[in-house]
Amino acid sequence: QKEVEQNSGPLSVPEGAIASLNCTYSDRGSQSFFWYRQYSGKSPELIMFIYSNGDKEDGRFTAQLNKASQYVSLLIRDSQPSDSATYLCAVKGYSTLTFGKGTMLLVSP
Amino acid sequence: DVKVTQSSRYLVKRTGEKVFLECVQDMDHENMFWYRQDPGLGLRLIYFSYDVKMKEKGDIPEGYSVSREKKERFSLILESASTNQTSMYLCASSSHQAPYNEQFFGPGTRLTVL
Repeated sequence: QKEVEQNSGPLSVPEGAIASLNCTYSDRGSQSFFWYRQYSGKSPELIMFIYSNGDKEDGRFTAQLNKASQYVSLLIRDSQPSDSATYLCAVKGYSTLTFGKGTMLLVSP
Repeated sequence: DVKVTQSSRYLVKRTGEKVFLECVQDMDHENMFWYRQDPGLGLRLIYFSYDVKMKEKGDIPEGYSVSREKKERFSLILESASTNQTSMYLCASSSHQAPYNEQFFGPGTRLTVL
């Protein structure tokens, strides 16, 4: 059974701080990794994906991948109250995605 | 922009009813997926489809069936709804052509079975 683990949170950070969200996965053969943001009552929205070891930056978001440690993270710089949401990590297997249960992020003004 | 639409945002049904949830995507995606999302359990895959008339079971297919008669439309069917099928149902689609097959979600249908 492929597993994707995330701390459920909530992770509370003040406005302007860096939020760090972490995810570990069990399938060593996984190749692609995704971060989705889900606001309360809404559907998941794709933020970023990463497939190579190292960092990938997109605006205030940076995804980090370490395949040897089976670890993916998402950094949000200059966090805003509008970033308050649940962040889902997803790992692509052969044909489908396995999702973590998500980490709730709360950014206080 | 990818657009995935679902037939209803909210639906209330009675135990034993047959329920149809419809999903339509307008980006010519080959792959379509049905998930349910429950507090504490996360997103769980019910069924998916790679092509018209093709279907594959996901992690929790019991009590559900699907239909894909046209490429853009993927239907989830609850043959005899039960209270434990009360949930948020999410449809998603992705393209074979996209390098990493990222999935795009519809707005969801919150189903309540009484």
